[in-house]
Amino acid sequence: DTEVTQTPKHLVMGMTNKKSLKCEQHMGHRAMYWYKQKAKKPPELMFVYSYEKLSINESVPSRFSPECPNSSLLNLHLHALQPEDSALYLCASSLAGDQPQHFGDGTRLSIL
Amino acid sequence: GEDVEQSLFLSVREGDSSVINCTYTDSSSTYLYWYKQEPGAGLQLLTYIFSNMDMKQDQRLTVLLNKKDKHLSLRIADTQTGDSAIYFCAESPDSSASKIIFGSGTRLSIRP
Repeated sequence: DTEVTQTPKHLVMGMTNKKSLKCEQHMGHRAMYWYKQKAKKPPELMFVYSYEKLSINESVPSRFSPECPNSSLLNLHLHALQPEDSALYLCASSLAGDQPQHFGDGTRLSIL
Repeated sequence: GEDVEQSLFLSVREGDSSVINCTYTDSSSTYLYWYKQEPGAGLQLLTYIFSNMDMKQDQRLTVLLNKKDKHLSLRIADTQTGDSAIYFCAESPDSSASKIIFGSGTRLSIRP
């Protein structure tokens, strides 16, 4: 069982909708991550938060907006997405930035 | 640049050992990982090895690290149908703390 919880598990949205993905961990980890994974590909890093501050943005389009309200929560706000944004979005956390990362089960996102 | 390579497919008979191989380029990597991804699921941190170790054993799993050849392997003893999954090799380059470089993944299939 994963100790990183992601909600919702599935999300279908239109290109004009606004939605948010949520990630939660209670392991005391201070680094949290968002990844995007397309079918049959490895995950691609999107954002890294370290001690609740954004430390890495891998040139992600502004229609994806991350937020870290506290050390246990990580959100990904979505607005005006494109069909090519359909993918599995994975959240991960680690004790610190250079420690092994633990992943959630992901949110499968479909853009109509 | 940093790169991780692994073969795409492996087919093994149930009960036999599976050996999944991986090569990497960054000799300063701190951690090397094996992640398992079952269909429709997130990534499970299967095991990892610190770069100053040569071998790590955990029940049916044995990880071997050859730093000279930059080669990492995962051996699964007594392979079962539940081991069917994609296995990702990954490294944590010392130069890029917080980033994991993933291989393309090896799909392990089990035949009766």
